[in-house]
Amino acid sequence: DAGVIQSPRHEVTEMGQEVTLRCKPISGHDYLFWYRQTMMRGLELLIYFNNNVPIDDSGMPEDRFSAKMPNASFSTLKIQPSEPRDSAVYFCASSSRGGNTIYFGEGSWLTVV
Amino acid sequence: QKEVEQDPGPLSVPEGAIVSLNCTYSNSAFQYFMWYRQYSRKGPELLMYTYSSGNKEDGRFTAQVDKSSKYISLFIRDSQPSDSATYLCAMKGTNAGKSTFGDGTTLTVKP
Repeated sequence: DAGVIQSPRHEVTEMGQEVTLRCKPISGHDYLFWYRQTMMRGLELLIYFNNNVPIDDSGMPEDRFSAKMPNASFSTLKIQPSEPRDSAVYFCASSSRGGNTIYFGEGSWLTVV
Repeated sequence: QKEVEQDPGPLSVPEGAIVSLNCTYSNSAFQYFMWYRQYSRKGPELLMYTYSSGNKEDGRFTAQVDKSSKYISLFIRDSQPSDSATYLCAMKGTNAGKSTFGDGTTLTVKP
């Protein structure tokens, strides 16, 4: 299996621009998670989906963040407008087995200048 | 107070040492306990997975869960330089889809 695939791997953008991060989960997994990791705050869960339906978005920091999962094999996390404090590594992860064991992608490294 | 507290580290040990990594938690609903390893500039990868209390061994790694004390540990025997990474504990309740992660402990094993 190819694992969880994320794109882009690296993005540098200017403040105010729209950022779209993409994720392809492992085939057959019914849970999809978006995490953000920073030195200061560690690994934070932003939102997760079960069978393409958003279940818990309480971790989404503000209205500038939105996530969609139009089908079982694709999800996006969008930041509009982006701010320097959004600079972080964003991980997509997927799971079966009720979300007990999570498989992470390699991350999207975002820098907002 | 966080639901999951992890010994912050960093931890530096000589090659061959026994390493103990620890987490405490406050939510008694947690039933599943995981350890993830994260190499620099990589995503976390699942290392160990345990349900409820007890020990689980996999090669040089042993995961231990003490639900009465709300305390979990990961032991690494005969540590190797390739074990140098950040280790994150994670926990989950039976009916919850999401896991709660500790902040991670960075381990360096010196040759």
